[in-house]
Amino acid sequence: AQTVTQSQPEMSVQEAETVTLSCTYDTSESDYYLFWYKQPPSRQMILVIRQEAYKQQNATENRFSVNFQKAAKSFSLKISDSQLGDAAMYFCALMNYGGSQGNLIFGKGTKLSVKP
Amino acid sequence: EAGVVQSPRYKIIEKKQPVAFWCNPISGHNTLYWYLQNLGQGPELLIRYENEEAVDDSQLPKDRFSAERLKGVDSTLKIQPAELGDSAVYLCASSSYRTDTQYFGPGTRLTVL
Repeated sequence: AQTVTQSQPEMSVQEAETVTLSCTYDTSESDYYLFWYKQPPSRQMILVIRQEAYKQQNATENRFSVNFQKAAKSFSLKISDSQLGDAAMYFCALMNYGGSQGNLIFGKGTKLSVKP
Repeated sequence: EAGVVQSPRYKIIEKKQPVAFWCNPISGHNTLYWYLQNLGQGPELLIRYENEEAVDDSQLPKDRFSAERLKGVDSTLKIQPAELGDSAVYLCASSSYRTDTQYFGPGTRLTVL
C-alpha cells in the first residue's frame, strides 16, 4: 500500500524567512510523481510544485523548492522569503505510474502560519 | 482559462435527504476525479473518470453514493440518503490525462444535520 506521512501538523515562520516542511512516503513502484499542494481557507487546492521520481534534479518554482531523496523516500518543501500569502495548509501527495496510476495519495497536511 | 467549477459551494441538509454536487472540469480535460476531504485530513479519491467511463470507483460507497459523467464533460455526484458522517468537503479535480497534474475546484462543503 502507498502511504504519505507529514509529521508536522503545524509550522510557523517569520515573514521573509525560510521554512521547510517534511514529507515521507512509501511505495513499491519505481516510477511515480510527487506533489506539494497548498490549500488556503478558501479550500481550493493549488499546485505548488511537482517532481518526477526519475529526475535527480530537485524541482524549483520561484520561492519554492524541494529536497527529493529517493532512497530515503523523503520529499521536503522549502519556502524561501516567506510571505503572508503563504499561510495555508500544505499537502504532500504521491501518484504512482502503475496499478492505480492517476490516483493521488495525500498526507494529512501541515498548517503553516506566517508571522508579520 | 477557466478553472474547475463546482456548485454549490455550501450545502446544509437533514439526514436521510438526498444531495447532489456538480462539477465542470477544465475544457479539454479528459480525466475527472471526485475526492472526499474530512476535517483535518487530506483528500481521498472516491471515483475517477476517463471521458465518460468510471475507471476507478473502488472507494465509492455504492450503497448510497452514485456518480455520472454524461458526454464525458460535466459530472454529478449524488448521495442518497445522506448520513451524519457524510459531512465533509467534496472536491472535484481534472487533468488532461491520467498522470498529468490535477487541478482542483473550490469544493462543496456539505453539512448533514
